[in-house]
Amino acid sequence: AQSVTQLGSHVSVSEGALVLLRCNYSSSVPPYLFWYVQYPNQGLQLLLKYTTGATLVKGINGFEAEFKKSETSFHLTKPSAHMSDAAEYFCAVSGNTGNQFYFGTGTSLTVIP
Amino acid sequence: DVKVTQSSRYLVKRTGEKVFLECVQDMDHENMFWYRQDPGLGLRLIYFSYDVKMKEKGDIPEGYSVSREKKERFSLILESASTNQTSMYLCASRPGLAGVRGELFFGEGSRLTVL
Repeated sequence: AQSVTQLGSHVSVSEGALVLLRCNYSSSVPPYLFWYVQYPNQGLQLLLKYTTGATLVKGINGFEAEFKKSETSFHLTKPSAHMSDAAEYFCAVSGNTGNQFYFGTGTSLTVIP
Repeated sequence: DVKVTQSSRYLVKRTGEKVFLECVQDMDHENMFWYRQDPGLGLRLIYFSYDVKMKEKGDIPEGYSVSREKKERFSLILESASTNQTSMYLCASRPGLAGVRGELFFGEGSRLTVL
């Protein structure tokens, strides 16, 4: 079965600094990969997804992620953190059937002014 | 705009009460999901439905049941609420045509406290 590992349950960055949230997956080929963001007491919102094509995927709010098959990774980055980026981030991989969608345990991002 | 609506954002119930959590989507999606979210455990799938009246157990179905009488509505039922069911409950939907490439669309969540 597929699985997702998010390294670091808590990440702190200074405002304006690079954001890097790590995600590794185990999946049969091809993997379909997703990043979601969750603000306090809200549902999950899709940031970006990789299905096929270009391995560098751009999403909303200035985030992007790169699919690296050789490293089985899909790390999320943003060049310059903003206070509004403070949230919980979830990496996910889709399974082989419609009901299979595997989430990591999440990374809580704190942005320090 | 795509919309998944959960009827109650915050609920407080007593142990032993029957609890209904309602979810409606307006996107004509075939697939609907109920997850619970707890700190440090991420999202865990309770039940999944791929069509009207069709359901499959997820990873943690014990203590829960579901109902899908209409395509747009998926209800989660706690027959006899217990304190260990205090949690955030998230409903999601996914289009059938997109297959495994499609993302999940989430509601705002229902935070349930059982006293």
